[in-house]
Amino acid sequence: AQKVTQAQTEISVVEKEDVTLDCVYETRDTTYYLFWYKQPPSGELVFLIRRNSFDEQNEISGRYSWNFQKSTSSFNFTITASQVVDSAVYFCALSEGAGGGNKLTFGTGTQLKVEL
Amino acid sequence: EAGVTQFPSHSVIEKGQTVTLRCDPISGHDNLYWYRRVMGKEIKFLLHFVKESKQDESGMPNNRFLAERTGGTYSTLKVQPAELEDSGVYFCASSQEGLGPEYFGAGTRLSVL
Repeated sequence: AQKVTQAQTEISVVEKEDVTLDCVYETRDTTYYLFWYKQPPSGELVFLIRRNSFDEQNEISGRYSWNFQKSTSSFNFTITASQVVDSAVYFCALSEGAGGGNKLTFGTGTQLKVEL
Repeated sequence: EAGVTQFPSHSVIEKGQTVTLRCDPISGHDNLYWYRRVMGKEIKFLLHFVKESKQDESGMPNNRFLAERTGGTYSTLKVQPAELEDSGVYFCASSQEGLGPEYFGAGTRLSVL
């Protein structure tokens, strides 16, 4: 069975610090998809990234970067130079199989607080 | 462009009553998903529509839950009769490609008393 673990329940940082959110997953499939979402106080989940299991290249998007390591079954998310607007709950999710990623298993989320 | 809209934002009902949640996806999105987060637990998959067809409803907890998407536009999720354990936040999401939920609504918070 698939499982996603976000061991960090809550992280507090001061603005401009770098912060890494950990995500460890378990799956028996060789084909799977990994996702990150951001949930700001307004409640909706905002899609950040989707990565398939065959693409281990790290991804950078502005201040956001993702490190995919199949050897350790991890898909960690780093925010560089954090800002107050980054404060939110961040969810990592996994979808098994070649279906494209429609049935997601979510982690419990990490609450990030960025303070001035 | 309007995002995914869910109605109501909050519903408080008594055990045994019926509640219908509505989701309006982004116009033109064929894929529509329902997820829910019950208190203290992870966000869990309920089902996935492609247009008006149920592609995967393996996450529906029991036959008290009925989802429809007539005409392939908006979707409703009916809970009848509601039980205490149904309390939580119900999320709807949509996407154009069937590559996973991209756009989520703000959710409907359901409280069953």
